[in-house]
Amino acid sequence: GESVGLHLPTLSVQEGDNSIINCAYSNSASDYFIWYKQESGKGPQFIIDIRSNMDKRQGQRVTVLLNKTVKHLSLQIAATQPGDSAVYFCAENISGSGGGADGLTFGKGTHLIIQP
Amino acid sequence: DAGITQSPRHKVTETGTPVTLRCHQTENHRYMYWYRQDPGHGLRLIHYSYGVKDTDKGEVSDGYSVSRSKTEDFLLTLESATSSQTSVYFCAIGPQFNQPQHFGDGTRLSIL
Repeated sequence: GESVGLHLPTLSVQEGDNSIINCAYSNSASDYFIWYKQESGKGPQFIIDIRSNMDKRQGQRVTVLLNKTVKHLSLQIAATQPGDSAVYFCAENISGSGGGADGLTFGKGTHLIIQP
Repeated sequence: DAGITQSPRHKVTETGTPVTLRCHQTENHRYMYWYRQDPGHGLRLIHYSYGVKDTDKGEVSDGYSVSRSKTEDFLLTLESATSSQTSVYFCAIGPQFNQPQHFGDGTRLSIL
């Protein structure tokens, strides 16, 4: 089965609300995790990453939380905007070096829909 | 992504024909990757390269071959295309200098 997966394939939120996208991973040896955003017709775009020696990392309007005990990863987007509409993927790697050398394992993705 | 160019962006071909997709990078990254993206599967790794002439298989390598004769180009070949290889193909490069892996805009391949 999938090494990395998502609980919800579609998430609908009101503009201005906070969004939380979840991801479960099964490989306890994974030590590096990335969130990507993919808009229609485009390649995945890096949002934020976190290494396994951290529980939380914040970026601009985004926060990633890592719970190694239950092998769970989440992406929080504050004050969701229409431009946040996209598919969001979590990905993992064991080497902990940003995806190299042997590539990333991706979840299936969550489609975030922003309601006006 | 400005540093990665995939060609062609779209291709329609027939079952049994050979197909080659090209990924060109201008960032001198050591690592390059080919993924395919299908509904319900996310992105899956086909092959990757860790240097010129150094390549290895990924999760879904059957039916594909790759070549990397120079740093900037990574070619993906379908020797005899099948309908199951209809997909969107993404090239990625990196990581390097603490920059995570990043992606081109994909090639949409349809095999009829």
